[in-house]
Amino acid sequence: EDQVTQSPEALRLQEGESSSLNCSYTVSGLRGLFWYRQDPGKGPEFLFTLYSAGEEKEKERLKATLTKKESFLHITAPKPEDSATYLCAVRPVNNDMRFGAGTRLTVKP
Amino acid sequence: DADVTQTPRNRITKTGKRIMLECSQTKGHDRMYWYRQDPGLGLQLIYYSFDVKDINKGEISDGYSVSRQAQAKFSLSLESAIPNQTALYFCATSHPPSDTQYFGPGTRLTVL
Repeated sequence: EDQVTQSPEALRLQEGESSSLNCSYTVSGLRGLFWYRQDPGKGPEFLFTLYSAGEEKEKERLKATLTKKESFLHITAPKPEDSATYLCAVRPVNNDMRFGAGTRLTVKP
Repeated sequence: DADVTQTPRNRITKTGKRIMLECSQTKGHDRMYWYRQDPGLGLQLIYYSFDVKDINKGEISDGYSVSRQAQAKFSLSLESAIPNQTALYFCATSHPPSDTQYFGPGTRLTVL
């Protein structure tokens, strides 16, 4: 069964304190892995797509990496405006998109 | 202007009422999706449509129906609302060959 598990459920950081969010997945075949940012009361906003193990994508303070079993979203020197819920999703070869429950990130000034 | 819009943004209704949520998009995408989001759970796919004549059930379609009125419009109906359908509902779009989905702002539905 295709599954996505994100950890931790919640993460509190001080401004400037770098950390990583984890997305573990099991799929029969991977078409793509997606990261989204969701602010309270809003729809998910697309961040990255990763297609194969070893691939990395960067945007400002965020960097996403992919292995055959998991993806990491690294946040370098976060700012309070990075506070949000970060969602991971996988698109299996023979199934619909599967979303994780998300990691709720809070960055304190 | 928003590329994917949803109406209404908030709705409170009573058990047994029929409710329709609407989604419109100006992205020109062929594919449209309806998801629900509950606290502590991931987004769950209700229905999806690859074009006007192609409608497919997602993992939690029971109690819901959809209509694809045009390439740009996709509606979700709850024929007889029940309290456990209280949730956030999101519409999304994508366009082949990309699987990237773009989401609307959501509808918060409360069934009393």
